[in-house]
Amino acid sequence: KAGVTQTPRYLIKTRGQQVTLSCSPISGHRSVSWYQQTPGQGLQFLFEYFSETQRNKGNFPGRFSGRQFSNSRSEMNVSTLELGDSALYLCASSEGQGLEAFFGQGTRLTVV
Amino acid sequence: GQSLEQPSEVTAVEGAIVQINCTYQTSGFYGLSWYQQHDGGAPTFLSYNGLDGLEETGRFSSFLSRSDSYGYLLLQELQMKDSASYFCAVRDGTPPSFQKLVFGTGTRLLVSP
Repeated sequence: KAGVTQTPRYLIKTRGQQVTLSCSPISGHRSVSWYQQTPGQGLQFLFEYFSETQRNKGNFPGRFSGRQFSNSRSEMNVSTLELGDSALYLCASSEGQGLEAFFGQGTRLTVV
Repeated sequence: GQSLEQPSEVTAVEGAIVQINCTYQTSGFYGLSWYQQHDGGAPTFLSYNGLDGLEETGRFSSFLSRSDSYGYLLLQELQMKDSASYFCAVRDGTPPSFQKLVFGTGTRLLVSP
């Protein structure tokens, strides 16, 4: 069974630009969560989608948004990028109420 | 607010036993999980405690005391490959949603020969 796939792996953007990150969950998993990981703050929850609906949202500004498609693939978008948005963005999938979250390798975003 | 406290770094030698503690203060609680992350890698699930007590999985064990808002991960017979960061995470979120994980800041474990 293929794992969680995130694309792209690395990204460099300029302040003010926007970016879209993609996540393909494990086949059969309908829950997809997104996290931001930085050295100082650890892993911070962004949002979670289940069957195309956002079920939970973290404490991030409205510049961070996401969506989920009918095939459970998910995208997250960050608009008007700031230097502080530089981080590793991790996607995790699980079987609805499954106990275990399976993480992808992440997308390393650098904002210059 | 929500917070999970872990030591920032722990060092040990091969073959030893190490315990990584986690205390939490969260608005909701539906269990405590532990994840391992090697440098440059993805976090991987190690264990889950939904009820008080000890869960054992091979060399790793995890404990939870809900009354004390406390848990720990115990690693036995340490190997060099155990050098990694370890995160405790509380499952939060209103049912039926259980996939909001609130993570601690992580404990970096360094295992030396």
